[in-house]
Amino acid sequence: DQQVKQNSPSLSVQEGRISILNCDYTNSMFDYFLWYKKYPAEGPTFLISISSIKDKNEDGRFTVFLNKSAKHLSLHIVPSQPGDSAVYFCAAKAGGFKTIFGAGTRLFVKA
Amino acid sequence: EAGVAQSPRYKIIEKRQSVAFWCNPISGHATLYWYQQILGQGPKLLIQFQNNGVVDDSQLPKDRFSAERLKGVDSTLKIQPAKLEDSAVYLCASSPGPGTEAFFGQGTRLTVV
Repeated sequence: DQQVKQNSPSLSVQEGRISILNCDYTNSMFDYFLWYKKYPAEGPTFLISISSIKDKNEDGRFTVFLNKSAKHLSLHIVPSQPGDSAVYFCAAKAGGFKTIFGAGTRLFVKA
Repeated sequence: EAGVAQSPRYKIIEKRQSVAFWCNPISGHATLYWYQQILGQGPKLLIQFQNNGVVDDSQLPKDRFSAERLKGVDSTLKIQPAKLEDSAVYLCASSPGPGTEAFFGQGTRLTVV
């Protein structure tokens, strides 16, 4: 069961422009959402999170937006840099239960 | 601060053989996770420990997979016997508690031939 879906396997963006990565979920019990970034041959690293009581969380160039009615969240990266090229995983959890990950979106930032 | 340490980094075995992976979490982290990541998919939780007790092992194929976390620190994950479909990256992660974000190790890439 794919409770967390990242429908775009890849995304290509020009350096300096905005990158928007999307994620949809089906479980209305999810109350905490996370984005992880993964470089090749490394483990995922935590990037940013948002609680279901908020609709936006910002950290430097990274902003996560949550639309609970649409069960949709997005990660905005502005401006995009070549070093942002990586696989981005959306993840969600309900209370103390396990974290469910999406399949990931590979971001290419072209110089 | 030292990160999550895993070994080995790579392992190639034949089907029906056994294999073990080791994980040393970040010091002081009570929660430890083992994830399986198959190529093209996101990490899937196999087992979660809180100190040395199992919190969730609902997706662990218990007929062939086993894990332990002795003394609430290091952990080992074992597969016996391995199948071709076990080829994946096995990620260990830890967190201060179950409600916080996890810190991942580099993973062990297992190839079963």
